[in-house]
Amino acid sequence: DTAVSQTPKYLVTQMGNDKSIKCEQNLGHDTMYWYKQDSKKFLKIMFSYNNKELIINETVPNRFSPKSPDKAHLNLHINSLELGDSAVYFCASSGTAATNEKLFFGSGTQLSVL
Amino acid sequence: GQQVMQIPQYQHVQEGEDFTTYCNSSTTLSNIQWYKQRPGGHPVFLIQLVKSGEVKKQKRLTFQFGEAKKNSSLHITATQTTDVGTYFCAGFFTGAGSYQLTFGKGTKLSVIP
Repeated sequence: DTAVSQTPKYLVTQMGNDKSIKCEQNLGHDTMYWYKQDSKKFLKIMFSYNNKELIINETVPNRFSPKSPDKAHLNLHINSLELGDSAVYFCASSGTAATNEKLFFGSGTQLSVL
Repeated sequence: GQQVMQIPQYQHVQEGEDFTTYCNSSTTLSNIQWYKQRPGGHPVFLIQLVKSGEVKKQKRLTFQFGEAKKNSSLHITATQTTDVGTYFCAGFFTGAGSYQLTFGKGTKLSVIP
């Protein structure tokens, strides 16, 4: 059973479109995250939710809107996609938001904006 | 902002050679974690270091946390082709309200058979 699953694995779309990436974890974790990994492999946090509440919101264009319907799900909606949004997006979860928790990552969604 | 610097960015080694990657922070870390990402894969947790001067080993991998809790290293003895991937350190900074795990830029290891 996959602990953190995200769909789709690949997403190819045109500039200006709106798209969503879904993430679910079955670990019973309280905290979920979205990370963006660019072409140079740099991992940058975008958002973090703890029990459905936003606790980290990094400097991300407001075209990106996370939604957490329950603590097992954290979806990412992106409006008006731009070329620079092309990257791999990783969902992750941890037991709590505490500093001693390790992250479990999903397998990633490779987004290509044409 | 708070950053974790990681060097080198790339490392090519002959199979059997040793490999080390270093992480450095200008401010004290609460703890540091290490992750490995295989090509085409996702980051996978390796270990966490919490105590000043801590050293932990996992088979051929040795992890160290500096005395001042500002630096850390990962050393692999006698690399194998299965060690190929990008190794990330990630630190939690001390301070109120700091829930954010900050990743270094990673060291991409290539092992030549």
